[in-house]
Amino acid sequence: NAGVTQTPKFQVLKTGQSMTLQCAQDMNHEYMSWYRQDPGMGLRLIHYSVGAGITDQGEVPNGYNVSRSTTEDFPLRLLSAAPSQTSVYFCASSYSTGTSGANEQFFGPGTRLTVL
Amino acid sequence: DAKTTQPNSMESNEEEPVHLPCNHSTISGTDYIHWYRQLPSQGPEYVIHGLTSNVNNRMASLAIAEDRKSSTLILHRATLRDAAVYYCILRDSTSGTYKYIFGTGTRLKVLA
Repeated sequence: NAGVTQTPKFQVLKTGQSMTLQCAQDMNHEYMSWYRQDPGMGLRLIHYSVGAGITDQGEVPNGYNVSRSTTEDFPLRLLSAAPSQTSVYFCASSYSTGTSGANEQFFGPGTRLTVL
Repeated sequence: DAKTTQPNSMESNEEEPVHLPCNHSTISGTDYIHWYRQLPSQGPEYVIHGLTSNVNNRMASLAIAEDRKSSTLILHRATLRDAAVYYCILRDSTSGTYKYIFGTGTRLKVLA
């Protein structure tokens, strides 16, 4: 299994540009999520999904859109990039079984985004 | 959302045990306690989790206070490869939304 994969690894954007960060997992996990990590900080939840067709907002959703058309893929879209979105972005996935809190999250290697 | 509090940093000598504390005084009865660690320039990786009882696995042990308001991650023999930021997280299951809320974590420095 490849686990959780993210592309690209690095990206530089100009203010106002749009782009999509890709995330895929091959573990048949229902739950997927996106985090951002600013320098010296912990991870903050942007959006998450508990299954195909279902998404919800996390702590810092503004400026980001997501969709979940398949179990495997969970892309994150920046509609109009701003310098405040310069960060490292991590995608994660896990099983989602009822309300169990016991499921381990698997993280991707991250995408380092710079917005000029 | 229930929050966790951890010291910003800790140091340990190589080959010695390390006890990383976490306070979670507002934990609910259905919240699991998870620990993850993040090595430099990598994504977080799972370490251990528990609900009420102490837990052991190949990486670490988790000691949970009887009132569940605090927990301690125990690395039995720290190595240089254990230098990382360790996050204590409560799995938010109160609304069935499966959110993980990360804090700022404890940066562990291991001295040779």
